[in-house]
Amino acid sequence: GEDVEQSLFLSVREGDSSVINCTYTDSSSTYLYWYKQEPGAGLQLLTYIFSNMDMKQDQRLTVLLNKKDKHLSLRIADTQTGDSAIYFCAEARGSTLGRLYFGRGTQLTVWP
Amino acid sequence: NAGVTQTPKFRVLKTGQSMTLLCAQDMNHEYMYWYRQDPGMGLRLIHYSVGEGTTAKGEVPDGYNVSRLKKQNFLLGLESAAPSQTSVYFCASSYLGQGNGDEQFFGPGTRLTVL
Repeated sequence: GEDVEQSLFLSVREGDSSVINCTYTDSSSTYLYWYKQEPGAGLQLLTYIFSNMDMKQDQRLTVLLNKKDKHLSLRIADTQTGDSAIYFCAEARGSTLGRLYFGRGTQLTVWP
Repeated sequence: NAGVTQTPKFRVLKTGQSMTLLCAQDMNHEYMYWYRQDPGMGLRLIHYSVGEGTTAKGEVPDGYNVSRLKKQNFLLGLESAAPSQTSVYFCASSYLGQGNGDEQFFGPGTRLTVL
């Protein structure tokens, strides 16, 4: 399909790991991004990965990229209540420089 | 730096009215974007600009017009508002295009209701 796909909801307990999955569309996408949106706010960049990488780690965040399956995941270790937000996956398609294509977002709820 | 600012924050319109949303950035960014966000739909690109004096259509441009007369400002106009345009509108900017691993910086959003 043409859409970036994400599951809509994820609930975890505080201290557990969260894994948010995304399937993107274009095998020639150059960069893949994870953005976070807190209630009533705009989006903020969390992390991104270049398409020639398989994994990127940044403190509690680990991004895994499977280019064969066009699958991207974001793992948040030791999830905290402050991580509750909507997480958006986005791809920069190779044919459309200057634009991002966003998924619908995954609402992460962290229970104490 | 203020980053990306949007005015107004909230607005209620009647069907058929017109209005302009203003986006301003003070980061000297070349690229600017207008998105709308609807529940369960994620962000959809309305129009974007790759530099002063340029504009281009995104995924959902119908019913909207834009102008980029100054590098720091990107205006979104609704000529004749319709209830289907009730949404939260986000402006964003970036120094480079997204094929370069560049971050988009988002404004706080404008919540628009069309009755």
